Amino acid sequence: QSVLTQPPSASGTPGQRVTISCSGNSSNIGSNYVSWYQQFPGTAPKLLIYKNYLRPSGLPDRFSASKSETSASLDISGLRSEDEADYYCAAWDDSLSGRYVFGAGTKVTVL
Amino acid sequence: EVQLVESGGDLVQPGGSLRLSCAASGFSLSNYWMSWVRQAPGKGLEWVACINQDESVKYYLDSVRGRFTISRDNAKNSLSLQMNSLTAEDTAVYYCARDRIIGGYWGQGTLVTVSS
Repeated sequence: QSVLTQPPSASGTPGQRVTISCSGNSSNIGSNYVSWYQQFPGTAPKLLIYKNYLRPSGLPDRFSASKSETSASLDISGLRSEDEADYYCAAWDDSLSGRYVFGAGTKVTVL
Repeated sequence: EVQLVESGGDLVQPGGSLRLSCAASGFSLSNYWMSWVRQAPGKGLEWVACINQDESVKYYLDSVRGRFTISRDNAKNSLSLQMNSLTAEDTAVYYCARDRIIGGYWGQGTLVTVSS
């Protein structure tokens, strides 16, 4: 069971907005930055968001994120077919001996 | 251009050992924390371990602590993961990645299969 909780799936039609939630606690999201990754089958993850809401250069502004206390969310607006992928949230966790924790991932389907 | 290239993945029997390597180029390894992340077939991402610049600090996933050892050779721009006492639950694609808070630099992964 993942330390960070994400819904297993989300879907929308082209052009719609999809929101993915990520719930943690005071040891991870509550006290550390959240990152988001996108992954297509058979490929390495790609960084979408770092430090809670910052986008790497070149990433479309259709992707946005926020964080509030012990939860975070990723928004994909103007959904496109090429957005169909798995999305993971992650954060450093200060509990135990220290570790980096991922959510279980959310499969986004474009209907 | 930053590149990370993993190698060493193989089919190994339960209880066996394997050493993974990650060759870094396009940046100086000595300036960065480095991490290993794995992904079991059909499953999500799971962080495995990370190491600081001078090897003085290492963090491990609880289930691999005592069996896996992360190390680095800054002179050779190389990261390693020594894996002992392997079980079927260690079967996964193993990625090396730059930084403790993993950012945009990942290798392509190397497959470790633990099976008799």
